[in-house]
Amino acid sequence: GDSVTQTEGQVTVSESKSLIINCTYSATSIAYPNLFWYVRYPGEGLQLLLKVITAGQKGSSRGFEATYNKETTSFHLQKASVQESDSAVYYCALSDPSGSWQLIFGSGTQLTVMP
Amino acid sequence: ETAVFQTPNYHVTQVGNEVSFNCKQTLGHDTMYWYKQDSKKLLKIMFSYNNKQLIVNETVPRRFSPQSSDKAHLNLRIKSVEPEDSAVYLCASSYWGRDEQYFGPGTRLTVL
Repeated sequence: GDSVTQTEGQVTVSESKSLIINCTYSATSIAYPNLFWYVRYPGEGLQLLLKVITAGQKGSSRGFEATYNKETTSFHLQKASVQESDSAVYYCALSDPSGSWQLIFGSGTQLTVMP
Repeated sequence: ETAVFQTPNYHVTQVGNEVSFNCKQTLGHDTMYWYKQDSKKLLKIMFSYNNKQLIVNETVPRRFSPQSSDKAHLNLRIKSVEPEDSAVYLCASSYWGRDEQYFGPGTRLTVL
């Protein structure tokens, strides 16, 4: 079936350092999945951070970027300089825009930014 | 700004009891969802519902059922809880045919 893999359960980075959170997907039944990053800040609901629907395109929001790489089936999240306020849980997800539109999530990565 | 509301925040109950969780959205969406987040933090869709159809994930036990009074509300009822039902339940909403979903803060269920 279709799935999303986030290999790191927890990532700790010092403030102002760069960040990469890995995400790979398997979309055996979806020709062109839409890809997402969602974020959950402490005490808040899950919210959409960015979405990319076209292979090769880059999405960006709040200083975060992710590029849809169909060759490596990856959608890694990057930020050049993290802030303490970026501490949250980040979820990679995909959907089938020609089918059910339902979201399939990765297991999430807890980011802790140290001051 | 919160637009998907869930109550209660937490609920502790015993095996065999019935529980019901509420969800309301003020975004004007026509489709709502329930997800289960287990102890491994995996988020899995349970139901998606609009006024035209209910889609049920085939892995969801029959003791779970969604209940809707209108397109802004979708409650989740568990008829007879079991220990493996302990989890966080997330409600979400969207427009039908759109995959950008908006989530509530979740309800944490603990079954003793």
